[in-house]
Amino acid sequence: DSGVTQTPKHLITATGQRVTLRCSPRSGDLSVYWYQQSLDQGLQFLIQYYNGEERAKGNILERFSAQQFPDLHSELNLSSLELGDSALYFCASSVVGTSGAGSSYNEQFFGPGTRLTVL
Amino acid sequence: AQKVTQAQTEISVVEKEDVTLDCVYETRDTTYYLFWYKQPPSGELVFLIRRNSFDEQNEISGRYSWNFQKSTSSFNFTITASQVVDSAVYFCALSELLSGNTPLVFGKGTRLSVIA
Repeated sequence: DSGVTQTPKHLITATGQRVTLRCSPRSGDLSVYWYQQSLDQGLQFLIQYYNGEERAKGNILERFSAQQFPDLHSELNLSSLELGDSALYFCASSVVGTSGAGSSYNEQFFGPGTRLTVL
Repeated sequence: AQKVTQAQTEISVVEKEDVTLDCVYETRDTTYYLFWYKQPPSGELVFLIRRNSFDEQNEISGRYSWNFQKSTSSFNFTITASQVVDSAVYFCALSELLSGNTPLVFGKGTRLSVIA
């Protein structure tokens, strides 16, 4: 158990609909990342939040949006869903530590994922 | 731009055989981290190892070992005496190091099947 929770585990919906995926990071982790795993694109980074603010953006469609709340949980909103949005959506949270050499490192812990099926 | 290539899409071995999963990366950063994750059939992503670009020392953890060669930009993963429970998809990933809080760039994964 990574300590990262995601709900729901499975989601089945129709094209054109809107869904919200929820993620709770590990206690103390300020960073939340969203990744999409699809058969054709593999594991792709979508977006990152750090302590409530957007930190980095990857290949996220305009139909998708996210936010991180004051309690650090995050939600990923997917709208106007298309068949191609069917995928496994992962949330990860990270701890930033310092190695013996004094450099910082980024260890990401992944939640169990939400499997989205768009029919 | 950063890129991770796992040329082996699928590998099938018989139990107790050794198997090596290849990972080649590209980055313009002089400092970076490399990772391996395991995704069993249940779907979750399990962290296996992190290695920073300063440290080329190979690592062994039980039946798992990793060979990092900066000269060839490779970070290969070997499972010794494979077991059926090792059947999974394995992902190699890369992240920039300096800020310590950056997304991972994943390879496409290698599906390993260990046959009893």
